[in-house]
Amino acid sequence: EVQLVESGGGLVKPGGSLRLSCAASGFSFSTYSMNWVRQAPGRGLEWVSSISSTSTYIYYTDSVKGRFTISRDNAKDSLFLQMNSLRAEDTAVYFCARDPRASSWYDYFDYWGQGILVTVSS
Amino acid sequence: DIQMTQSPSTLSASVGDRVTITCRASQNINNWLAWYQQKPGKAPKLLIYMASSLEGGVPSRFSGSGSETEFTLTISSLQPDDFATYYCQQYNSYSPWAFGQGTKVEIK
Repeated sequence: EVQLVESGGGLVKPGGSLRLSCAASGFSFSTYSMNWVRQAPGRGLEWVSSISSTSTYIYYTDSVKGRFTISRDNAKDSLFLQMNSLRAEDTAVYFCARDPRASSWYDYFDYWGQGILVTVSS
Repeated sequence: DIQMTQSPSTLSASVGDRVTITCRASQNINNWLAWYQQKPGKAPKLLIYMASSLEGGVPSRFSGSGSETEFTLTISSLQPDDFATYYCQQYNSYSPWAFGQGTKVEIK
C-alpha cells in the first residue's frame, strides 16, 4: 500500500525556517517524481514545488523561489522541503504528492499524504 | 502562465441530481487535465486524469470530458458521499502546474 506521511510542521515566527519531511513507503520511491502542494486555511490548492526521480529537474512556484528548497534522499525514501524566510502568507497545510508512474515527469498526482500544518505568526 | 478558472464556485444540489462543473484554461492544454475531490480536513483524491480517464476505484458516475481550453466534470447521479470540493489541475509541460479555485458541492 502506498503511504506518504508528512512531518516537521508547526508554529514559526516570520523570517524563521522549517524543514518538512515526507516519508514514503509501499512503492519504489527512487523511480518516482514527487511534489509539494499547499492549501492556505479556507483556500484552494496551490502547487509549490516538484522534483524528478534523480533530482535532475526541480521547479518552484514563483512565490517561494529563493526561499524554499526541495530535495530527496532516495536511500531513505524521503522527500524534503526546506523553508526559509517564512512569511505569514506561507501559512498552510502542506501536502506531499506522488506522480502516477515510475520515471514520469510533469504529470498529475495520484497519491497524497495527509498534510501537515505550517503556521507563520509572531 | 496558464490560469485555470472553475465555475460555479458553489453548487447546491440534491441526491440523485446530475451535476456538471466547468474548468477553463487560459491557453490550450490539450488533454493534460486532472480532477480531484477533497473533503474537509482530508487530502485531495484523484478522480480523472487525461481529461476523461477514470482513476481506478472511482465510481462510474464520475466522468470527464473536454479538450484544449474547456473541460467538464459530470456526476451523473449525486450521492451523499459526493458532497465535497472539486478541483481541476492542468499539467501541460509548457506552464507550471496550476489548480482551479475549486467548486464546492453543497446539499440543497
